Amino acid sequence: DTGVSQDPRHKITKRGQNVTFRCDPISEHNRLYWYRQTLGQGPEFLTYFQNEAQLEKSRLLSDRFSAERPKGSFSTLEIQRTEQGDSAMYLCASSLVVNSKNIQYFGAGTRLSVL
Amino acid sequence: KQEVTQIPAALSVPEGENLVLNCSFTDSAIYNLQWFRQDPGKGLTSLLLIQSSQREQTSGRLNASLDKSSGRSTLYIAASQPGDSATYLCAVSRLTGGGNKLTFGTGTQLKVEL
Repeated sequence: DTGVSQDPRHKITKRGQNVTFRCDPISEHNRLYWYRQTLGQGPEFLTYFQNEAQLEKSRLLSDRFSAERPKGSFSTLEIQRTEQGDSAMYLCASSLVVNSKNIQYFGAGTRLSVL
Repeated sequence: KQEVTQIPAALSVPEGENLVLNCSFTDSAIYNLQWFRQDPGKGLTSLLLIQSSQREQTSGRLNASLDKSSGRSTLYIAASQPGDSATYLCAVSRLTGGGNKLTFGTGTQLKVEL
């Protein structure tokens, strides 16, 4: 499978615990994005990497959230001291700009439930 | 701040009907517009991408148009099938900065009935 891969698919945690999600982008895609989607809403942008550099972070990304892409390949998104409001689907996307086209390809997402 | 609106929020049609989904955006300085499909509890599948310099794109039974000056796009689905049932999301990316991050609408939930 050469698509975007996310792990785990589902995560249930208790409030106050830390969680970490992983995203493996399509090989050779230099751009990687994280989005968050709550029920009945469209995804909202969280952060963006070009290679290993994190170039933009949304104001949605509080100081409890941290994302890394250490070698410009896979990425991790960590949430510390989870809150019930963090419950959502976390989506990862990757892209490679070709001929001015930037088609973002999404993974299946990680669904987080904070109890 | 870019805002994307999709109308209708939900749509139910009989199989075989042609249909149009609408998307509007407030800031015309876009890089491109992308239509996605999302099945319940799943990720997003890219359907069509229209670059800001283009007017339309076609793929199979799908046709998407873009009128950047009026801030509108439509997704036309011909001869709808039950397998087309899903939520359809429209997203625009900014012209400059942000790595072309996407701003999404809230989607149109489509049900095609036998």
